[in-house]
Order: sequence, then C-alpha cells, then structure tokens
Amino acid sequence: QIQLVQSGPELKKPGETVRISCKASGYTFTTAGMQWVQKMPGKGLKWIGWINTHSGVPKYAEDFKGRFAFSLETSASTAYLQISNLKNEDTATYFCARSEELDYWGQGTTLTVSS
Amino acid sequence: DIKMTQSPSSMYASLGERVTITCKASQDINSYLSWFQQKPGKSPKTLIYRANRLVDGVPSRFSGSGSGQDYSLTISSLEYEDMGIYYCLQYDEFPPTFGGGTKLEIK
Repeated sequence: QIQLVQSGPELKKPGETVRISCKASGYTFTTAGMQWVQKMPGKGLKWIGWINTHSGVPKYAEDFKGRFAFSLETSASTAYLQISNLKNEDTATYFCARSEELDYWGQGTTLTVSS
Repeated sequence: DIKMTQSPSSMYASLGERVTITCKASQDINSYLSWFQQKPGKSPKTLIYRANRLVDGVPSRFSGSGSGQDYSLTISSLEYEDMGIYYCLQYDEFPPTFGGGTKLEIK
C-alpha cells in the first residue's frame, strides 16, 4: 500500500536550518510529484510548493520563495523540505502529499522554532 | 491567485443529518477541486478529487458535485466519526489554493 512516512518532530532556534524528510513506498517514486503543505497552529492549510520527482524541478508559492527548498534522493524514494534561517513564525506542522490531487499524505512533521 | 471561499466556517449538525459544505472559486477551475477531512493531530485525508470522484475506501455517504466556480461536498447521513475540519483545494491554476476550512461538530 502507498505510504508517505515523514521524519520526527524538530525543535530549532531562530536562524538555524531544518531538513524534513518524506519517504515514499508502495509506488514508483518518480511517477507522481510531491507536494508540501504548511499548517500553522490555529490556521488553515497553506500550499508551499511541489517538486517534480522525475525531473527534480521545484516550484514554490510566492510566500515560500527564498528560505524553503525541496530536494530528492530518488534512489531512496525520499523527498526533502529544507527551511533555512528559521523564524519563530515557521512554527507549524509540515506535510508532504503525493500528486496534484494530494491523494496520499504523510503523517506530518511538527517544527517548533523558539529561542 | 485563485481565492477559494468556503462556507460555512463552522457548523453543528445532528447524527443522521444531511450536511453540505460549499466552496466558491474566484474563477472557473474546471472541476480541478479536491476535498479533505482533517481531525485534530492527524494528517488530512483526501475524500474527493476532480470535484466528484470518491477516493477508494471513502464511505459512499460522502459525495462531491459542482462545476465552474461553485462546488459542494455532501455527507448524506452524518456519523459521529465525520467530525473534523473540511478543506477544499483548487489545483486548476498555479498556485493551488485551499479554502479556509469548515469545522464540523456534532450537535
């Protein structure tokens, strides 16, 4: 069965960098893009962007250009979200989700940024 | 960006009741719309894609309809486990945009 398993919770300080992983199984990794979604406490879902798992080309929503970066380790069927120069307002749960329909979701990774 | 206006933002409904949640897009999205259910502390669960296609394993009491700018999610007979927050998403045009969410609680 299709599964997306994300890395565990993170506690970081402002200015640090975090990398969140999303390991896919149960399908051929390069046949469906990977999307990333942010859920801030008490807020709705916000689309961060997606990465084409075949070409490796990422696309970001305007609000997430600059400090957010996607990457792939195709041999390990894993996608990554890296956030650099962390800010308190990056505190949120981050989800990966498969394909343009977001048909399967990871369990989420909670990131807390606090000094 | 396409704006998705979801309503109501919250609602109470009784067990067995028919429930409808709507999303209105700021422009035609050609039925590229999905519906998700999220429960506290859990990841969203996809219910419907392409406006009316039920994801495998989702109970048949859930249905989606609509076209153009106007879409709806209907639960034909509310069950206790249906409590949660429901979101729509348009993916017709970059960037994909979510509705603001509907919090559904049992009366």
